[in-house]
Amino acid sequence: AQSVTQLGSHVSVSEGALVLLRCNYSSSVPPYLFWYVQYPNQGLQLLLKYTSAATLVKGINGFEAEFKKSETSFHLTKPSAHMRDAAEYFCAVSEPNTDKLIFGTGTRLQVFP
Amino acid sequence: EPEVTQTPSHQVTQMGQEVILRCVPISNHLYFYWYRQILGQKVEFLVSFYNNEISEKSEIFDDQFSVERPDGSNFTLKIRSTKLEDSAMYFCASIRLAGSTDTQYFGPGTRLTVL
Repeated sequence: AQSVTQLGSHVSVSEGALVLLRCNYSSSVPPYLFWYVQYPNQGLQLLLKYTSAATLVKGINGFEAEFKKSETSFHLTKPSAHMRDAAEYFCAVSEPNTDKLIFGTGTRLQVFP
Repeated sequence: EPEVTQTPSHQVTQMGQEVILRCVPISNHLYFYWYRQILGQKVEFLVSFYNNEISEKSEIFDDQFSVERPDGSNFTLKIRSTKLEDSAMYFCASIRLAGSTDTQYFGPGTRLTVL
């Protein structure tokens, strides 16, 4: 069965600092991987996705993630945090032949001035 | 940019009452989903729907739940007799083609409060 583990339910960084949100997956077949962001009282917005093309995926708002098969990881990074990045971030996985998303427990990112 | 819409944004109901949550998926999308997020917990898959049939459902989606596409635009989730533990944010999502590299788009959610 597929699963996603997000290490760290809360991450705090200073404005301008590197953001690193960790995601590890478990899948019996090559997965599709996603990062979604949820701003307070809003729905889920897709940041980026990996669908077996380039292993380094660039998304919106300056975020990127690298698929590392050897480490079963898909960590999300941003070189310089901004106050507006404060939100909940969810990693998700799906098998290429299925259509449902399996989400991790989420990481709340706080950005301090 | 086209978007998934959901109504109402917030629904308060008494335990045992029926509720219907409504969604309008993106117009050229063919696959539809409901997810829920209990406060403070992760987003969980409930059901997927294609060609007027349920294609997959989770163990959460028991006989109290049903989905329907009553016309060409709406996609509804009905809870027949609500329980306190049904209180959650319910998200509708749609995708043009499942099993592809297309993106699943989410609506803003309906917050259901069962008293």
